[in-house]
Amino acid sequence: ETGVTQSPTHLIKTRGQQVTLRCSSQSGHNTVSWYQQALGQGPQFIFQYYREEENGRGNFPPRFSGLQFPNYSSELNVNALELDDSALYLCASSSGLAGGSSGNEQFFGPGTRLTVL
Amino acid sequence: DQQVKQNSPSLSVQEGRISILNCDYTNSMFDYFLWYKKYPAEGPTFLISISSIKDKNEDGRFTVFLNKSAKHLSLHIVPSQPGDSAVYFCAAWGHNNNDMRFGAGTRLTVKP
Repeated sequence: ETGVTQSPTHLIKTRGQQVTLRCSSQSGHNTVSWYQQALGQGPQFIFQYYREEENGRGNFPPRFSGLQFPNYSSELNVNALELDDSALYLCASSSGLAGGSSGNEQFFGPGTRLTVL
Repeated sequence: DQQVKQNSPSLSVQEGRISILNCDYTNSMFDYFLWYKKYPAEGPTFLISISSIKDKNEDGRFTVFLNKSAKHLSLHIVPSQPGDSAVYFCAAWGHNNNDMRFGAGTRLTVKP
């Protein structure tokens, strides 16, 4: 069973550019959530995708967008990058909607370290 | 808004002793709580959870205690081992939420 993988491992962009981060969910999982973890902070929920539809969004501006594909892999796109977007971006997958006592545990990938200069 | 708080950024304990990590929350709608463990260059891994209808859940060396009236939970690790050295995150789900809230984490160092 393959775990959650993310690519690239790290990348450097300049302010104003656009970036696409990728996530392959664990085998059998149809739900993907994205989190932003700034230095010294805990992960912050960006949004969740369930069966290719966005199912919930955190307090992030519209320039953060996502996609989920039929094979349940996912992309996180960030437009007009700002210096504060520098962070570790984590993807987590689950078999079904993850939430509360649903029992659908989230499995996290290793993250993509984004640096915006 | 910091709805889940871990006020101790770091904790150091001796191997074999008890590690106690604390977490406070402000949102009374949270009804499910989790602890995650994170090693460098890896994603967080699930450790243990507790529903708000319980006040204690135990799994081997790990026990989570929940005090709803105080909006406080703690993770006890007994006995602590050097391999437990990692960053521990407290997280919470609200009913009908798909938005898991994390604390800032506590770095635990277990010294041999």
